[in-house]
Amino acid sequence: DAGITQSPRHKVTETGTPVTLRCHQTENHRYMYWYRQDPGHGLRLIHYSYGVKDTDKGEVSDGYSVSRSKTEDFLLTLESATSSQTSVYFCAISESDAGSSEAFFGQGTRLTVV
Amino acid sequence: DAKTTQPPSMDCAEGRAANLPCNHSTISGNEYVYWYRQIHSQGPQYIIHGLKNNETNEMASLIITEDRKSSTLILPHATLRDTAVYYCIVRVNTNAGKSTFGDGTTLTVKP
Repeated sequence: DAGITQSPRHKVTETGTPVTLRCHQTENHRYMYWYRQDPGHGLRLIHYSYGVKDTDKGEVSDGYSVSRSKTEDFLLTLESATSSQTSVYFCAISESDAGSSEAFFGQGTRLTVV
Repeated sequence: DAKTTQPPSMDCAEGRAANLPCNHSTISGNEYVYWYRQIHSQGPQYIIHGLKNNETNEMASLIITEDRKSSTLILPHATLRDTAVYYCIVRVNTNAGKSTFGDGTTLTVKP
């Protein structure tokens, strides 16, 4: 398995509180991604990074921010959590942006906002 | 990225081949076809990908039609552990992880 660690694996938080999820990789891959998955549905891209301090928005970026201060870590922050952000969050990495380059996924973080 | 259409669910007998179809009629010339699967809400697992030629690896085979408007993922000898949601993704030749996942096909392998 690719060296991807997501933390925490489970979290329950209250509406309005800030939350930060961490993705740590040991593969030295340049590209990192955050997805969310809601019950019964596929994954949707939130934000991605193409290098240290280089990030861009995905299709569902509202309410989320990211930071990447070093290659191995990609942080996802919910500035003020809402119940609609209850979801499973997956981090992914890839070595390059080539179409032939596969992405590897972490095991996910289950976030519940009450 | 082109949109894909997959059946919501399929069954397969253990030991038999599982053939999972995917339609991607709006695919462009520079778009790859990727397959991932997700077991028990774990992180998606890469299976195989191709551009226009058929591909085979230790997990599966990918058959892409000549017009590239559809493809089939073949698991040659399905086992109970192959029960999962299978996602067909069509992606432009940039940003490997910037993929659009649909709802996939839930494959149930039965004894």
